[in-house]
Amino acid sequence: DGGITQSPKYLFRKEGQNVTLSCEQNLNHDAMYWYRQDPGQGLRLIYYSQIVNDFQKGDIAEGYSVSREKKESFPLTVTSAQKNPTAFYLCASIRQGDTGELFFGEGSRLTVL
Amino acid sequence: QKEVEQNSGPLSVPEGAIASLNCTYSDRGSQSFFWYRQYSGKSPELIMSIYSNGDKEDGRFTAQLNKASQYVSLLIRDSQPSDSATYLCAVTRMDTGRRALTFGSGTRLQVQP
Repeated sequence: DGGITQSPKYLFRKEGQNVTLSCEQNLNHDAMYWYRQDPGQGLRLIYYSQIVNDFQKGDIAEGYSVSREKKESFPLTVTSAQKNPTAFYLCASIRQGDTGELFFGEGSRLTVL
Repeated sequence: QKEVEQNSGPLSVPEGAIASLNCTYSDRGSQSFFWYRQYSGKSPELIMSIYSNGDKEDGRFTAQLNKASQYVSLLIRDSQPSDSATYLCAVTRMDTGRRALTFGSGTRLQVQP
């Protein structure tokens, strides 16, 4: 079945550590996105990528980094520079030419101890 | 002013009633409009999409769009306890490179049995 796989689902990190969240899709979608959600809040855009080897900052990119070496993969690294990393992280994808509908992975919940 | 505004709720309705959820947006260039349902601890799932003024019906759900007034609404008929969730309104425009959804903070719906 086609879909978006995020791993790990739950992750605990000590302050000062970098952590990488995985996002893989087999939908043959071109564009991929990372959102962050805090309790009781909507989703905020961290980074997005329209094509391989290219990505752009979203609204809250500070303290995060991404890569897009393959169409299927869009990993997100939460660096020690991110001051408030505890959140629910969602990866999504969309076909180019589509009218904007996003497909989401199941999410990764990061807790900083 | 937030780009997408929703009343956070909770909106409480009895089982079998009509639930009415509202959303306003600030960008007049917005072209695509979506309603996502999100259960606690889960990722958002698409309920409705609407692209032109008027009503769009799908089963118990009706989306309404009024671009002149910059609002979009979601009606849920015959509300069921399983409809209890947070409903996220999202908008996007397809004429820029970004094409990412901008989300409201969501309205929590409680359907009382």
